[in-house]
Amino acid sequence: KAGVTQTPRYLIKTRGQQVTLSCSPISGHRSVSWYQQTPGQGLQFLFEYFSETQRNKGNFPGRFSGRQFSNSRSEMNVSTLELGDSALYLCASSLIPGPSYEQYFGPGTRLTVT
Amino acid sequence: AQRVTQPEKLLSVFKGAPVELKCNYSYSGSPELFWYVQYSRQRLQLLLRHISRESIKGFTADLNKGETSFHLKKPFAQEEDSAMYYCALKDTDKLIFGTGTRLQVFP
Repeated sequence: KAGVTQTPRYLIKTRGQQVTLSCSPISGHRSVSWYQQTPGQGLQFLFEYFSETQRNKGNFPGRFSGRQFSNSRSEMNVSTLELGDSALYLCASSLIPGPSYEQYFGPGTRLTVT
Repeated sequence: AQRVTQPEKLLSVFKGAPVELKCNYSYSGSPELFWYVQYSRQRLQLLLRHISRESIKGFTADLNKGETSFHLKKPFAQEEDSAMYYCALKDTDKLIFGTGTRLQVFP
């Protein structure tokens, strides 16, 4: 079974731009969660999507948004990029929504904002 | 506020030595805790969860509600245990992660 894939793997953007990251879950998984990982804050939950609906959202500004398509693929968008948005963005998929069930992580997208 | 604390950034031991990775939590309610691991050049993956009361790769973790701890233990470390270990707490419907502890096992 193919694992979670994320594209692109690396991205360099300028302050003020916007960016879209993509995540394809494991086949059959309908839940996708997104996390931001930084050296200072560690891993922080962004949001979770299940069946094209956002189930839960972390404490991030409205510049961070996401969506999920009918094939369970998910995208997250960050508008008006700030230097502090530089991070590794991880997505994770699971068969059943919610953190009680094993989440399978992707390799991440490394975003650098200059 | 709900919080997970991993006090050690780095833990270095020799092969065959016992290992204890510390995790303390702050949670009002009945906690649900996990250990995730990331080996070099691999993805973050679930190691174990306290609900399962299982031993994975020789690791165990016991929830101590009195001390609000969920330390990860292994009696005899192996070189392949070298990795980044994250303790995580289920808060409502999301995971709160600790900052992680890097375990280095020397031959």
